Amino acid sequence: DAGVIQSPRHEVTEMGQEVTLRCKPISGHNSLFWYRQTMMRGLELLIYFNNNVPIDDSGMPEDRFSAKMPNASFSTLKIQPSEPRDSAVYFCASSTAGGALYNEQFFGPGTRLTVL
Amino acid sequence: RKEVEQDPGPFNVPEGATVAFNCTYSNSASQSFFWYRQDCRKEPKLLMSVYSSGNEDGRFTAQLNRASQYISLLIRDSKLSDSATYLCVVRVSSASKIIFGSGTRLSIRP
Repeated sequence: DAGVIQSPRHEVTEMGQEVTLRCKPISGHNSLFWYRQTMMRGLELLIYFNNNVPIDDSGMPEDRFSAKMPNASFSTLKIQPSEPRDSAVYFCASSTAGGALYNEQFFGPGTRLTVL
Repeated sequence: RKEVEQDPGPFNVPEGATVAFNCTYSNSASQSFFWYRQDCRKEPKLLMSVYSSGNEDGRFTAQLNRASQYISLLIRDSKLSDSATYLCVVRVSSASKIIFGSGTRLSIRP
């Protein structure tokens, strides 16, 4: 298995532009998580899905952020409009059924976003 | 108070030394606990789960103290390759989100 796939790996954009991050979870996993990591705030959960349904989006910072999971093999995280404070590494992770306490989360390589 | 707190370090120890770090959590109802490892500019990866009775995996030992609400990670005979950031992870229930600590940086010197 290729693991969790994220694209792009690096994104540099200008303030105000729309940014779309993409994630393909591991086949057979039905929980998907979006995280943001910065030096100041560490690793923060933004949103997670079970069976393509958003379960908890309380970590989404504001309305400029949105996430979708149209099917079991694809998810997007969109920022519109982007701001310099959105600069961070964005990780996608997946795991098997969310009903077990000790499910391991498998992380993708991350997308390093820089907003100028 | 943060839900999961860790000493950020860095811990700088010589190769072969034993090193331990703790992590405290605020929610007494927390049910599952993990240690993840993150190398520089890489993604986090599961190191080990932490069970109530404590568990060991080679040179790594994890302990849980529910009364004091902390978990610990002990690394024996440390190797250069152990240099990384160690993230403490807590989950209240199977239906709740996972909370990551901000990590403890460990650097092993020759």
